[in-house]
Amino acid sequence: DAKTTQPNSMESNEEEPVHLPCNHSTISGTDYIHWYRQLPSQGPEYVIHGLTSNVNNRMASLAIAEDRKSSTLILHRATLRDAAVYYCILIRIGSGDKLTFGTGTRLAVRP
Amino acid sequence: EPEVTQTPSHQVTQMGQEVILRCVPISNHLYFYWYRQILGQKVEFLVSFYNNEISEKSEIFDDQFSVERPDGSNFTLKIRSTKLEDSAMYFCASRQRIQGNEQFFGPGTRLTVL
Repeated sequence: DAKTTQPNSMESNEEEPVHLPCNHSTISGTDYIHWYRQLPSQGPEYVIHGLTSNVNNRMASLAIAEDRKSSTLILHRATLRDAAVYYCILIRIGSGDKLTFGTGTRLAVRP
Repeated sequence: EPEVTQTPSHQVTQMGQEVILRCVPISNHLYFYWYRQILGQKVEFLVSFYNNEISEKSEIFDDQFSVERPDGSNFTLKIRSTKLEDSAMYFCASRQRIQGNEQFFGPGTRLTVL
């Protein structure tokens, strides 16, 4: 499976944008880029996913580099509730879609 | 909004005992998963289930583990003879048929083996 690399931790101020990077230099053409997050003492929660084009939903935006070797999850206005561990995960079409979680990026949000 | 539910929220058991963790996936979902997270560690995939059979399982999912969809709504994980190292949060997840679509996770069951 293609591997992802994320910073261990990041900090943000409340109500400011946050850009969470992910490198996936060995991504293949059939790999979807998924982002999940895990709030303290909760199960993982889907955030967003994409294949080639940038994506927006009510939670976040996903910016995918043209060569697909990296992506950035954008939270437009961080809230205290966004403090969580964010995971960037590649899922290969036809693989059964199991999620392989790394250590993710722990996001702290300062009031 | 539909959600995945899990029971119990916390299960305490003695080593060597059998436990069954229960999950009710979202009703129109077709793919089901179990994951676990030992305290302070990564979330680990255990097993995926589709069309009443296991599609994939990890090395963790040995002969002590089994899964079942006994009726149209429940999805269960059974551990036959629990060990201390089985203590973890166990998460159930489900997704629709569409390839690459998101998985919806339940709140988890905390299993404590004494």
